Amino acid sequence: ETGVTQTPRHLVMGMTNKKSLKCEQHLGHNAMYWYKQSAKKPLELMFVYNFKEQTENNSVPSRFSPECPNSSHLFLHLHTLQPEDSALYLCASSQGEREASQETQYFGPGTRLLVL
Amino acid sequence: SQQGEEDPQALSIQEGENATMNCSYKTSINNLQWYRQNSGRGLVHLILIRSNEREKHSGRLRVTLDTSKKSSSLLITASRAADTASYFCATEGVDSSYKLIFGSGTRLLVRP
Repeated sequence: ETGVTQTPRHLVMGMTNKKSLKCEQHLGHNAMYWYKQSAKKPLELMFVYNFKEQTENNSVPSRFSPECPNSSHLFLHLHTLQPEDSALYLCASSQGEREASQETQYFGPGTRLLVL
Repeated sequence: SQQGEEDPQALSIQEGENATMNCSYKTSINNLQWYRQNSGRGLVHLILIRSNEREKHSGRLRVTLDTSKKSSSLLITASRAADTASYFCATEGVDSSYKLIFGSGTRLLVRP
């Protein structure tokens, strides 16, 4: 195990539903990430939080809303999704020093999302 | 985009053989990392090579980096069936701390 957990592991939702994905890291890290992995496409960075501040929003549609209440928890709130949003959503964390680079990211197992 | 591109897209080898995967990228980087992903699971970090390094080893893994050609290779020696997975390179740009750009991956199948 990598020290990053995600719930639920699988989720099926209709286009009018509201659901949330949860990520928790037990590594004492300060940076957390959401990625989307679709079939036959490279991993896409969605959001980055560093010391609870959002530092990256990679042109993600507003139907995806992240929340980082503390450095250990990250949520992705989902609302009125489209079938093309079906994918594996991966959370990751890294040390997140203020001036850091050369950081390794630790990934959770992902949430497999199917939008009907 | 400095997206990494892996080559080949898929590789099938016999157990005990060596597997070589290549990655190319487009812009200047701080480092290049290789990750492994078992089917439908999260990614696991394998190795990080800095822009001023040319070669790095970790167990059966050997990574090379050629910044003049903007390319890297991952060599897995004496492969095992358990090495079957997808392998991704990821680059951290010089102006993009915390932001990794992943390639499309190489699917490796090691036949017993």
